[in-house]
Amino acid sequence: AQSVTQLDSQVPVFEEAPVELRCNYSSSVSVYLFWYVQYPNQGLQLLLKYLSGSTLVKGINGFEAEFNKSQTSFHLRKPSVHISDTAEYFCAVSPPNFGNEKLTFGTGTRLTIIP
Amino acid sequence: DAGVTQSPTHLIKTRGQQVTLRCSPISGHKSVSWYQQVLGQGPQFIFQYYEKEERGRGNFPDRFSARQFPNYSSELNVNALLLGDSALYLCASSLGTLDYEQYFGPGTRLTVT
Repeated sequence: AQSVTQLDSQVPVFEEAPVELRCNYSSSVSVYLFWYVQYPNQGLQLLLKYLSGSTLVKGINGFEAEFNKSQTSFHLRKPSVHISDTAEYFCAVSPPNFGNEKLTFGTGTRLTIIP
Repeated sequence: DAGVTQSPTHLIKTRGQQVTLRCSPISGHKSVSWYQQVLGQGPQFIFQYYEKEERGRGNFPDRFSARQFPNYSSELNVNALLLGDSALYLCASSLGTLDYEQYFGPGTRLTVT
């Protein structure tokens, strides 16, 4: 079994400030890791994913995340946020080669950008 | 190019009724997955269909069923609706079953009263 914990349900950040959204996972097997973003009244969009290789993953919209196996974490970062980054962010985990069937999402972090 | 489309956008049903939700995938995508997103929680996997066959099922009761048509569109059916079925139902399409590049539709908001 696997699980995802997003400790921060809400994160307010001033515009142009850096942000880190935390994600920790629990799994007895190796995992694939994902971050999705959900803008108001829209579906989810894949920001980035870690399947293998370099532990630093770069995604769309200037976001990046680092896989830390020893700390079982996959925190999402952006050096300078914009108003348009206001959205809900979901971390997700899956064992390899199961497709979507075993994709487990966290409860989400609402990022609010303060002008 | 059109993205994933879902209909209807919103739906209000009464307990005990049945509902059908529809999804059209991106052109060329053969896999469709359904998720339930209860308010304040992350999406939960319900079904995956590929080439009209069920390829995966989440931990949902038999009241939930789905099918995929020859044009790869899909329907999700929920029978004997409960208040707890109130949620945003998301459809996602991808090229194949192990393709993690999923593209989500905007969802159907189902309210059961």
